[in-house]
Order: sequence, then C-alpha cells, then structure tokens
Amino acid sequence: AQSVTQLGSHVSVSEGALVLLRCNYSSSVPPYLFWYVQYPNQGLQLLLKYTTGATLVKGINGFEAEFKKSETSFHLTKPSAHMSDAAEYFCAVSLSGGYNKLIFGAGTRLAVHP
Amino acid sequence: DAGVTQSPTHLIKTRGQQVTLRCSPKSGHDTVSWYQQALGQGPQFIFQYYEEEERQRGNFPDRFSGHQFPNYSSELNVNALLLGDSALYLCASSLYQEGYGANVLTFGAGSRLTVL
Repeated sequence: AQSVTQLGSHVSVSEGALVLLRCNYSSSVPPYLFWYVQYPNQGLQLLLKYTTGATLVKGINGFEAEFKKSETSFHLTKPSAHMSDAAEYFCAVSLSGGYNKLIFGAGTRLAVHP
Repeated sequence: DAGVTQSPTHLIKTRGQQVTLRCSPKSGHDTVSWYQQALGQGPQFIFQYYEEEERQRGNFPDRFSGHQFPNYSSELNVNALLLGDSALYLCASSLYQEGYGANVLTFGAGSRLTVL
C-alpha cells in the first residue's frame, strides 16, 4: 500500500531563509508525486508535480522539489522564504490508472517570521 | 472561469442527523472526488465519481454515499452523523484520462461540518 510521511508537523523559518519541507513515500510501483499548499479557509492549490523525466521539478512561487528514488523522498525547497509562504503544505502520492486517487501526508505547517 | 464551488461553506448538525454537501466541478472537468480533512490531518480520500458512477472508494463506511449528476456536479451524503464526522469536506474535480494518474485535481474551498 502507498503511504506518505511528512517529517515535522511544524517548521519555522526567518524571512529570507531556506525553506525545506520533507516528504518520504512508500510505493510498490513508481508513483506520481505532488505538493499542495493550503492557505487558511481555502482549498488546496497545486505547487508542483513529478510524473516522469527530470527529477528536479520547478513549481509556482519559487518552490522546487527533487525526486530521489533511492531515498524514496520528494522534499520541497525554496531558497528564500517570504511572509506570504506561511501556510500548510501537503505531500501526496498517486498511481497510474486514471483515477487520480491522492494519498496525502499529514501536512507541515510553515511559519515565517520577520 | 469558475473553479470548483462547494456549498454550504459551514454547517452545524447534531449526532444522528443527515447532511448533504454539494459540489460543482471546474468547467471542462468530468470527474469529482471527495476528501475528508479532519483537524490537523491531511485529506483522506472518500470516493470518486465518473460518468455518474462511483469508480473508486476509500475506507469509509456506507454511511457515506454520493451521487453525480449529468452536468457532472456531485453530492456527498452522510447519514447517522457521529462526532468524528466533524471535518472539512473537500471536493476536487479533474478530467479523466484512462491509465493516467497524474492529472491535476482542482480543489474547492470545502464545506466545514461540525457535529455536536
């Protein structure tokens, strides 16, 4: 069965500092991987996704993630945090098959302080 | 272009009651999925509808049921509400592509259900 583990339920960084949100997955077959962001009282918005090909994926708002098969990881990074990045971030995995069922991690709440 | 719209945004029910939540998918999408997001947790897949049929279901009891209409909109029904059903219910839409699991889901803002 597939699963997603996000290390650290809360991460706090200073404005301008590196953001690193960790995600490890478990899957018996090559997965599709996603990062979503959720702002207060809003739905989930896609940041980026990995399907096949290049393992370094660039997303919106300056975020990127690297798929490392050997480490079963898909960590999310941003070189310089902005106050507007404060939100809840979810890593998710999906399998081929057309139904796009997403399995989410528990989420990481990112706080950015001045 | 309107995205996914859900109604109501908030509602309060008591134990044992029934609730219906509604979802209109993004224009051009034909598939609707429902997720339950309990406080402090990630969303959990409830079920998915395509061509007015339930195509896939997560680990939720039969108290959770749904429907998809010819215009692709969908309803989520929960019977015999329990305190543990209190959560944010998210609807997501997508365009079905056979054999492809990486379609981007567009999420609505959710319906927050409180069961007292």
